[in-house]
Amino acid sequence: AQSVAQPEDQVNVAEGNPLTVKCTYSVSGNPYLFWYVQYPNRGLQFLLKYITGDNLVKGSYGFEAEFNKSQTSFHLKKPSALVSDSALYFCAVRDMSGATNKLIFGTGTLLAVQP
Amino acid sequence: DAGVIQSPRHEVTEMGQEVTLRCKPISGHDYLFWYRQTMMRGLELLIYFNNNVPIDDSGMPEDRFSAKMPNASFSTLKIQPSEPRDSAVYFCASSRDSFRQFFGPGTRLTVL
Repeated sequence: AQSVAQPEDQVNVAEGNPLTVKCTYSVSGNPYLFWYVQYPNRGLQFLLKYITGDNLVKGSYGFEAEFNKSQTSFHLKKPSALVSDSALYFCAVRDMSGATNKLIFGTGTLLAVQP
Repeated sequence: DAGVIQSPRHEVTEMGQEVTLRCKPISGHDYLFWYRQTMMRGLELLIYFNNNVPIDDSGMPEDRFSAKMPNASFSTLKIQPSEPRDSAVYFCASSRDSFRQFFGPGTRLTVL
């Protein structure tokens, strides 16, 4: 079965420090991987995607993610966190089962950046 | 571009009443998704459409829920009769390729 796991419910980081939000996946075949962000009282917003090519993917707001096939991971990173990055982050994978075009979302990780 | 539009933004109703949530997708987007978000269950896909046709409704919780997309610019999600456990934030999202999805602001539903 296709799935993603976000092992941390919450990540705390001080402003200016690097941040990492973890995601691991389980799919058959080559994965299509995504990160979305949800600010309070808003819908989810697309950050970045990996389909093929360079393992380091750059996205919106200075975020990047590294695809690691051997570790089946797709961690989200940013070199220097901002207080405004505080939000709920979702990892997602394309559902490769059957003729479907839907995403399977993780449970979300709350990022709290302290000033 | 106005983005995905959802109405109402907030809905408070009593158990047993019919609730209709509305969504206008971004023009030119062929995919439309309905999600539900709660603290307990997280983000759940209820149903999605491609070119106005329902493709996968396996996430619809029960027969009380129904969704329609009569044309490319409008979709509804109906709950009849509503129950307190239906209280959640309901999101509509649209997409050209089904992967980069654009979410609406959501409808916060409270069933008393």
